[in-house]
Amino acid sequence: QVQLVESGGGVAQPGRSLRLSCAASGIRFRNYIMHWVRQAPGKGLEWVSCTSHDGSGKFYADSVKGRFTISIDDSKNMLYLQLNSLRPDDTAMYHCVGEGGGAFDLWGQGTVVLVSS
Amino acid sequence: QAGLTQPPSVSKGLRQTATLTCTGNSNNVGGLGGAWLQQHQGHPPKLLSYRNNNRPSGISERFSASRSGNTVSLTISGLQPEDEADYYCSAWDSSLNAWVFGGGTKLTVL
Repeated sequence: QVQLVESGGGVAQPGRSLRLSCAASGIRFRNYIMHWVRQAPGKGLEWVSCTSHDGSGKFYADSVKGRFTISIDDSKNMLYLQLNSLRPDDTAMYHCVGEGGGAFDLWGQGTVVLVSS
Repeated sequence: QAGLTQPPSVSKGLRQTATLTCTGNSNNVGGLGGAWLQQHQGHPPKLLSYRNNNRPSGISERFSASRSGNTVSLTISGLQPEDEADYYCSAWDSSLNAWVFGGGTKLTVL
């Protein structure tokens, strides 16, 4: 069964850090580009970052560049997002997404990040 | 990062046809084309089409995408109550080296 399961969300104070994880099953990372996409409460979708299966190609949205770091462990089928210097506008549901032959083919249910003092 | 432009809302009657639009530029939808996603309240999005009119397996033929210049469109024929959802377009922007999304269109089926 193809599944992406995110974890690691929670409440963090502004300026603090969180690490999100995404466990993939039923797929081989080498066939996918893996993304993080977020959605603030009541708002639209915002692409955050993506990486190739071997981590050789990584891209970031301007809004998170220099603060967030994406990483991937192909051997464990795990995707990560390190969130540093968190801001209130980082509050959102964060989805792990797999891009196979199409665009955003596979979606996890998401993990919620709330940045608040 | 500049996003893609979608109308905030569209309303159509049951069994009618709705056409949703998404406008960008030559660096995004005008280049490699766009993708369309459907999101029902409380659920993650679902991919409907990619690179203009490729449908993932399991997606109804009632959903059809096209491109004209820097605008991509999603046509939904024979509207059903379950088509009421938010629809997002997305594309890779080669000048930004980033994916961009439209703000989303809320489709209401009357």
